[in-house]
Amino acid sequence: NAGVTQTPKFRVLKTGQSMTLLCAQDMNHEYMYWYRQDPGMGLRLIHYSVGEGTTAKGEVPDGYNVSRLKKQNFLLGLESAAPSQTSVYFCASSRQVGNQPQHFGDGTRLSIL
Amino acid sequence: AQRVTQPEKLLSVFKGAPVELKCNYSYSGSPELFWYVQYSRQRLQLLLRHISRESIKGFTADLNKGETSFHLKKPFAQEEDSAMYYCALSDTGGFKTIFGAGTRLFVKA
Repeated sequence: NAGVTQTPKFRVLKTGQSMTLLCAQDMNHEYMYWYRQDPGMGLRLIHYSVGEGTTAKGEVPDGYNVSRLKKQNFLLGLESAAPSQTSVYFCASSRQVGNQPQHFGDGTRLSIL
Repeated sequence: AQRVTQPEKLLSVFKGAPVELKCNYSYSGSPELFWYVQYSRQRLQLLLRHISRESIKGFTADLNKGETSFHLKKPFAQEEDSAMYYCALSDTGGFKTIFGAGTRLFVKA
């Protein structure tokens, strides 16, 4: 099983450019999440989704948008990239029932110049 | 406010020595607590959760509600334990998980 797959794995952008990070899961999970990981700050939740067609803001949502048009996919968009968004981005998913552990993708390393 | 604190950014021990990775939390309800681990070049994965009360790879963690702590312990560290460890807290609804800043464990030969 692939589990959680993130594309791309690496990307370099110029300030002001836009891009979309794709997360796909094949476990039929209801919940999906986008985190950013920065040195000394752990993982911070950007946005999350509790089901198809629903999204909600996390801890650091500014500058990002998300969509969950299909249950298995969760897209993270940067409309106008800024150097402060240079980070490693992780997608995760989990089952709906109870407080289930999250399953993570390999991450996307994004650099904004 | 909900918060997870891992006071040590880096912990270095010798092989065979006991290891304890500290985790303190702040939460008003009944938390669900987890330890996640990220080995070099691998994805972040669940190590253990307090509700399971199990030992994984020799690691255990006890929830101390009085001290609001969930420290991760192993009596004899192995070189393969070298990794980044994250303590995490899930809220009552299970929608969101809050992660600590992480502790990098380095086990020396």
